[in-house]
Amino acid sequence: EIVLTQSPGTLSLSPGEGATLSCRASQSVSSSYVAWYQQKPGQAPRLLIYGASSRATGIPDRFSGSGSGTDFTLTISRLEPEDFAVYYCQQYGSSPTWTFGQGTKVEI
Amino acid sequence: EVQLVESGGGLVQPGGSLRLSCAVSGFTVIRNYMIWVRQAPGKGLEWVSVIYSGGSTYYADSVKDRFTISRDNSRNTLYLQMSTLKDDDTAVYYCARGGWVRGDPGYFDSWGQGTLVTVSS
Repeated sequence: EIVLTQSPGTLSLSPGEGATLSCRASQSVSSSYVAWYQQKPGQAPRLLIYGASSRATGIPDRFSGSGSGTDFTLTISRLEPEDFAVYYCQQYGSSPTWTFGQGTKVEI
Repeated sequence: EVQLVESGGGLVQPGGSLRLSCAVSGFTVIRNYMIWVRQAPGKGLEWVSVIYSGGSTYYADSVKDRFTISRDNSRNTLYLQMSTLKDDDTAVYYCARGGWVRGDPGYFDSWGQGTLVTVSS
């Protein structure tokens, strides 16, 4: 089973700053199968990025995804107040199974 | 407008059963693959089960042989029948629609608001 490890656990930043979130897989993953979600307290997750770098419908272009192999990154270019949340990476594996990282909290 | 609305959560004793529902509008359940994901209090996300448009079903090892995913095409509703519930099944359960990337399943693009299941004596 592929394990996804996200870092850092918590990122303390100010509005207007940039954020770089990392997701490392325990073995190589096809970039087609990597997605990122945002979750705010009391809300369902929201799809941000799929296929490692494609933005979902309605997602602002300050969110971008990149990476390949075992290392994937979510970048938020300039944090808006509504961006403070928990972010999860996710990968699809054969069997089928889906696994999530443990999350990175972006806090003010 | 795409909408998924879960229901059926509640308090159940260990060893008990519960059936969750996910009423869908804005798209057809049978034409998509649908999943259940859960989130224990204060924890991360865990995939639970999937049902493909052809009817194939798969489960996480943690729920295999205890949970059953199904759908009612006439009601456009997804279900999760949970039995032999354990304390660590306590979580918010979300239903979601799956999306395809180059012909392979990959991500979940529409989610319900979740329903809380609490397993406790």
